[in-house]
Amino acid sequence: DTAVSQTPKYLVTQMGNDKSIKCEQNLGHDTMYWYKQDSKKFLKIMFSYNNKELIINETVPNRFSPKSPDKAHLNLHINSLELGDSAVYFCASSQEVISFGPGTRLLVL
Amino acid sequence: GENVEQHPSTLSVQEGDSAVIKCTYSDSASNYFPWYKQELGKGPQLIIDIRSNVGEKKDQRIAVTLNKTAKHFSLHITETQPEDSAVYFCAAGASGNTPLVFGKGTRLSVIA
Repeated sequence: DTAVSQTPKYLVTQMGNDKSIKCEQNLGHDTMYWYKQDSKKFLKIMFSYNNKELIINETVPNRFSPKSPDKAHLNLHINSLELGDSAVYFCASSQEVISFGPGTRLLVL
Repeated sequence: GENVEQHPSTLSVQEGDSAVIKCTYSDSASNYFPWYKQELGKGPQLIIDIRSNVGEKKDQRIAVTLNKTAKHFSLHITETQPEDSAVYFCAAGASGNTPLVFGKGTRLSVIA
């Protein structure tokens, strides 16, 4: 299947831990994103990468560090997790139209 | 930057009735306006989009209208069915790879 995939689907962890979310797209898109969806369903851009280069970095704590090893992958590493980081994180990619992954539900206890 | 307002936040309709969701945007440079449907536990899925060179687009029971002068666009769903129940998001952005700015979503409930 051609799609945006991300792992894990669920992530439950303690405050202060470090965790990573992986994302891969096989659509051949040049641009990849991370969006955060809070408990009120509000979708907000975090990062945008084009051909492995960071294009957009919204006001996101520097505990969040994206890494793009190649055009098809954009991983998100989060250090020192806080309660407020609990949300659903969506990876997406685009050429003209943005396609979203299934989301990673992060719960910080 | 772009700001997108979406109304209503919740909408309940009887099966078979029509549903209308409205959005406004602020940046006149925006020229791409997609609509996404998000079902429970899933990522947003594109259902229809419109670009600024057209005023209306239709795909079966779904239609979108755009008024660039007034900076607003709307989603129309006719003959609603229970499977239309979901959260719908409008978005606006410039063409190319500029990230979209999303509205806050509308939770549509279709009552059988």
